[in-house]
Amino acid sequence: QVQLVQSGAEVKKPGASVKVSCKASGYTFTSYAMHWVRQAPGQRLEWMGWINAGNGNTKYSQKFQGRVTITRDTSASTANMELSSLRSEDTAVYYCARDRRTRITGTTSWYYYMDVWGKGTTVTVSS
Amino acid sequence: DIQMTQSPPSLSASVGDRVTITCRASQSISSYLNWYQQKPGKAPKLLIYAASSLQSGVPSRFSGSGSGTDFTLTISSLQPEDFATYYCQQSYSTPWTFGQGTKVETK
Repeated sequence: QVQLVQSGAEVKKPGASVKVSCKASGYTFTSYAMHWVRQAPGQRLEWMGWINAGNGNTKYSQKFQGRVTITRDTSASTANMELSSLRSEDTAVYYCARDRRTRITGTTSWYYYMDVWGKGTTVTVSS
Repeated sequence: DIQMTQSPPSLSASVGDRVTITCRASQSISSYLNWYQQKPGKAPKLLIYAASSLQSGVPSRFSGSGSGTDFTLTISSLQPEDFATYYCQQSYSTPWTFGQGTKVETK
């Protein structure tokens, strides 16, 4: 079955960087893009960016531009998200989620959504 | 960025009730609207994509409707396992954005 297994919880000091990994199984890794979404305590979900696992192209939310880097290792079927210059507001659960594209019958449009999610990685930023 | 606004922020309901949650986009997003369910301490789970298409394995009591700026998620007969928080999300343009969530609680 399709599964995304994320790395374990992290505790970091302000100004440090964190790298979260997401290992995919049960499907052809390079055939799907991967998104990264975070959720601060009590807050709504927040999209950070995505990577085309086939060609490595990335797209980031402007909010995180310059601080976030998403990469992939095709040999390990793993996507990674690195966030730098951490501050307390970055304390959150970070999720990876597989991108899915579907054409609805009777239409010419492709629709995009996140169909499989990892369990999440808690990142705590504290001095 | 496209702003997504859900209403109500929370609601109280009983098993068997019909529940309706509304999501409004700050501009037209056609049918690029998805719904997720999230339970405490768990990852979100996809329920509906493209505004009205039911994800495989999701019970048929869940349905979605709408296009343009106004969308609705309906649970036809609330079950005990449906008490959770529901989020809408637009995939019309990046950055993809989510609503603030609607928490469905037991009355």
